[in-house]
Amino acid sequence: EVQLVESGGGLVQPGGSLRLSCAASGFTFSDHYMDWVRQAPGKGLEWVGRTRNKANSYTKEYAASVKGRFTISRDDSENSLYLQMNSLKTEDTAVYYCARAGVSARYFDYWGQGTLVTVSS
Amino acid sequence: DIQLTQSPSFLSASVGDRVTITCRASQGISSYLAWYQQKPGKAPKLLIYAASTLQSGVPSRFSGSGSGTEFTLTISSLQPEDFATYCCQHLNSYPLTFGGGTKVEIK
Repeated sequence: EVQLVESGGGLVQPGGSLRLSCAASGFTFSDHYMDWVRQAPGKGLEWVGRTRNKANSYTKEYAASVKGRFTISRDDSENSLYLQMNSLKTEDTAVYYCARAGVSARYFDYWGQGTLVTVSS
Repeated sequence: DIQLTQSPSFLSASVGDRVTITCRASQGISSYLAWYQQKPGKAPKLLIYAASTLQSGVPSRFSGSGSGTEFTLTISSLQPEDFATYCCQHLNSYPLTFGGGTKVEIK
């Protein structure tokens, strides 16, 4: 059974940093692109960024709203995905989901349960 | 960036109704569109990908159509468990974006 479990969320002050983790199981993690998506309270979904797989040199893509502040990484040996968030702003407050991209990378077929990040003083 | 506009943003319907939700892209995205269902406090669930391919395990009352800039999600006969928010997503180019969502509520 495919499982994605996020952790690391919490309360952080503006300008602070936080690192989210996503533990994957039940599939060959190294084969898949992985994404982060966030959802601010009461709002819609916002794509944060993507890491490709080893076959595609682990290259990354980011949304403009987080580029230069957030960094996605992965450890295939640990079946884990990470999101390092720096220079956090109040508008980064959201539930953060990790998601597995399907075989063609043209859809997200599995999602974690999400972890809440609150940026507030 | 490609913008996705969903309509309506809110829909009130009864069990057994046929429901259609539209997603319009600001430029052509071929068939690189997915539909998700999200219930309160839960993660989104994939329903349809490649505009019209039903994800494994999703009931056949859900269907998708369209290509280019206009897409539709249809629920042929609304069931009690279908009351939720539905969202489209394009995966044609970066940044990937989502539509604003359509909340389907009980009439």
